[in-house]
Formats: sequence, structure tokens, C-alpha cells
Amino acid sequence: QKEVEQNSGPLSVPEGAIASLNCTYSDRGSQSFFWYRQYSGKSPELIMFIYSNGDKEDGRFTAQLNKASQYVSLLIRDSQPSDSATYLCAVNGYTGNQFYFGTGTSLTVIP
Amino acid sequence: EPEVTQTPSHQVTQMGQEVILRCVPISNHLYFYWYRQILGQKVEFLVSFYNNEISEKSEIFDDQFSVERPDGSNFTLKIRSTKLEDSAMYFCASSEPTSGTSDTQYFGPGTRLTVL
Repeated sequence: QKEVEQNSGPLSVPEGAIASLNCTYSDRGSQSFFWYRQYSGKSPELIMFIYSNGDKEDGRFTAQLNKASQYVSLLIRDSQPSDSATYLCAVNGYTGNQFYFGTGTSLTVIP
Repeated sequence: EPEVTQTPSHQVTQMGQEVILRCVPISNHLYFYWYRQILGQKVEFLVSFYNNEISEKSEIFDDQFSVERPDGSNFTLKIRSTKLEDSAMYFCASSEPTSGTSDTQYFGPGTRLTVL
């Protein structure tokens, strides 16, 4: 059973702070890792993806991947109230033909 | 910017009825997917489709489900005899594969299916 685990939260941070979201996965064959944002009642919206160990930065977002620890994280700098949403970690299996999603972490940015 | 579209946005049906959910993937994408999300739960993979055939399917995707690409643009999910537990949001996604494996998946807005 391939599992993707996330802290369900809720996570609350003040505006301007750094939000840190974590995800672990069970399938060592996983090659691709994605963070999606989902507003209530809406579809998942891609934030960023990461394939290689280390950090990847895109604007206020930084994804970190450690394949040895089977761990991927997302940092959101200078958090804004509009960042309030559920953040989904998705892991691509070795075949590449499906995503395994975590249950998501609910983030609230307090003005 | 190209996007995945889905129709209808909301479908209400009676238990035992057949429903067809429709999707138009991004035009140059070759891999297509269906996921579902029961209210308050995680997004779950149903099926992936490539080159006019199913690539992979989950345990959820039993004989009551089928997928089809009836023409060059549409991708459909059919549920033959709906059950109460099929009530969920159904998302279509597509990707443009690289190096023989699927890549980033882009999701449509979803169809909310309510089975009464």
C-alpha cells in the first residue's frame, strides 16, 4: 500500500511569517513530487514540483526533497491571507501513471 | 492559458442510474486521468489512459466504471449503475509525458456527483 502522509493541521501562521508544510511517502520508487493548493470546493492547483534532492525555489515557495528520508516539504515565505487553503502533497509512482495524494494540510494565514 | 474543462459542474442522479462525466483535456496532452474526492477526504486515483487504452487503474475502478475517448477532444467517465457511495467530486486531469513517464498533471474544475 503506497502511502503519503501529511499533518492534517490546521496550521495557523500570522501574515508575513513562514509556513512549513511536511509530507512523507512510503514508495521508495517514487520519482516525482508535487505540491498542489486546493481551496474549498475547488480543484487542486499546481504550486510546484520537484524531482531531485535538495531545494527548489519559485517566488515565495520553496520545495525541499530528501529521498533518503522519503520526505518532501513546502515552505511559504511572507505568508499572505490568500495563501489560506489546503495544501496537497502528491507523489508519482514509478510507473508514472498515477498520483498518490496525502490528505492535505489546512493552512490559515491570520491578517 | 490552456486548461482542462469538465461538464457538467454538478450532476444529480438517482441510485442505479447511469451517468457520464465529460472532460476536455489540454489539447497537446497525451495522458488523461480521473480522480475522485469524497467530501472531506483525500483525492483518490481512479484510472489513467494513454494511447486509447487504460494504463493503470485502482481498486476503486471496478466493472461499474469505464472510460472512453470518443473523439479527438473528449474524455469520458461512465458509471453504469450509481451507488450512494459514488457521491463525490470527480476530477479529470491531463499531462504531457516526458521520457516515457507522465509529468505534471493539470486538473479540471471537477464535477460534483450527487447520488440520491
